[in-house]
Amino acid sequence: GDSVTQMEGPVTLSEEAFLTINCTYTATGYPSLFWYVQYPGEGLQLLLKATKADDKGSNKGFEATYRKETTSFHLEKGSVQVSDSAVYFCALTETGTASKLTFGTGTRLQVTL
Amino acid sequence: EPEVTQTPSHQVTQMGQEVILRCVPISNHLYFYWYRQILGQKVEFLVSFYNNEISEKSEIFDDQFSVERPDGSNFTLKIRSTKLEDSAMYFCASSRDFSHGELFFGEGSRLTVL
Repeated sequence: GDSVTQMEGPVTLSEEAFLTINCTYTATGYPSLFWYVQYPGEGLQLLLKATKADDKGSNKGFEATYRKETTSFHLEKGSVQVSDSAVYFCALTETGTASKLTFGTGTRLQVTL
Repeated sequence: EPEVTQTPSHQVTQMGQEVILRCVPISNHLYFYWYRQILGQKVEFLVSFYNNEISEKSEIFDDQFSVERPDGSNFTLKIRSTKLEDSAMYFCASSRDFSHGELFFGEGSRLTVL
């Protein structure tokens, strides 16, 4: 079946550092790809999404590009802030199952001053 | 901003006991879901629910699990006879429509089975 693989955490960065969290997927068909974020004490929130190859999702300074040739959807941010400390989940929906998400394990990001 | 709320935040139970996890979805949402995450593992889909019936379920969602929307606002997950391997964080989610992955999640209910 379809699956998502994320880089292991935790990732610890200093404020203003560049962030990359790797995500690769295995899917038949043409999945939609997502990044969800969970801040401490809150539920998972949709951060950004891309629904077809070469689409770039972006929100709050975060970006991810749907790369079909490398089956990847890496999350990037040019300059992280302490408030970005959270757990980040990469996910996909399989073709034909619009809201059944397949998640990765999540990557914890800790940003320090 | 509307949010999905879940109770309890943490429940400890003995193996074999019944557990009910409760969720209040966002009020104008029509689709409801349960996911779970065993510690260190992936967030896994359990079940989706629409129009008072299950629309899809995973192989994890066996006869020990059931879902209900008893009163038009709550959405519950019942585990009939808990096992050690049911220990996990359970997330409820809702969406306005079958909206291509844009789900709104609660904070989760941590279940510990002893």
